[in-house]
Amino acid sequence: AQSVTQPDIHITVSEGASLELRCNYSYGATPYLFWYVQSPGQGLQLLLKYFSGDTLVQGIKGFEAEFKRSQSSFNLRKPSVHWSDAAEYFCAVVTSGNTPLVFGKGTRLSVIA
Amino acid sequence: SQTIHQWPATLVQPVGSPLSLECTVEGTSNPNLYWYRQAAGRGLQLLFYSVGIGQISSEVPQNLSASRPQDRQFILSSKKLLLSDSGFYLCAWSALAGGPYNEQFFGPGTRLTVL
Repeated sequence: AQSVTQPDIHITVSEGASLELRCNYSYGATPYLFWYVQSPGQGLQLLLKYFSGDTLVQGIKGFEAEFKRSQSSFNLRKPSVHWSDAAEYFCAVVTSGNTPLVFGKGTRLSVIA
Repeated sequence: SQTIHQWPATLVQPVGSPLSLECTVEGTSNPNLYWYRQAAGRGLQLLFYSVGIGQISSEVPQNLSASRPQDRQFILSSKKLLLSDSGFYLCAWSALAGGPYNEQFFGPGTRLTVL
């Protein structure tokens, strides 16, 4: 069965600094990959997704993610973090077929001045 | 465009009381529907999902149940709440198709506190 690992439970970065959130998946074939963001007390919002083609995908709010098959990774990046980016970030994977997404446990991002 | 609604937004219930949370989707037909729970620091736990009316898959055995009486309505219920049922409940939908179309869209959530 597929699984998703987000190794970092909590990350703190300074405003204006760069950000990278790690995501590793376990699945034999090419998965479909997603990053979601959740602000406190809110639902989840899709940031970006990878299906095929260019391995560097652009998302909303200035985020991007790179799919690396050799490392089974789909890390989320942002060159300059804003205070409003403080939230919980979830990586998710789904295979073909009508099955639910499998989510990682999330990474909480704190932004300091 | 599609929208997803959940209510109530907040609920405080005593232990042993019943529960009914409702989720409705507008602007799409035949969606997959999902119920998740978030307990503090535990990420997202998939509780139930449904690929059609009356078709419910349970992921975690517990005192909760789900029903889908209409195509775009998904209800989460309990006959007797436990303290451990406290959490943030999220409903989501995805298009009824495989692979790339399984991105999920989430509702605003219901905060349930069981006292």
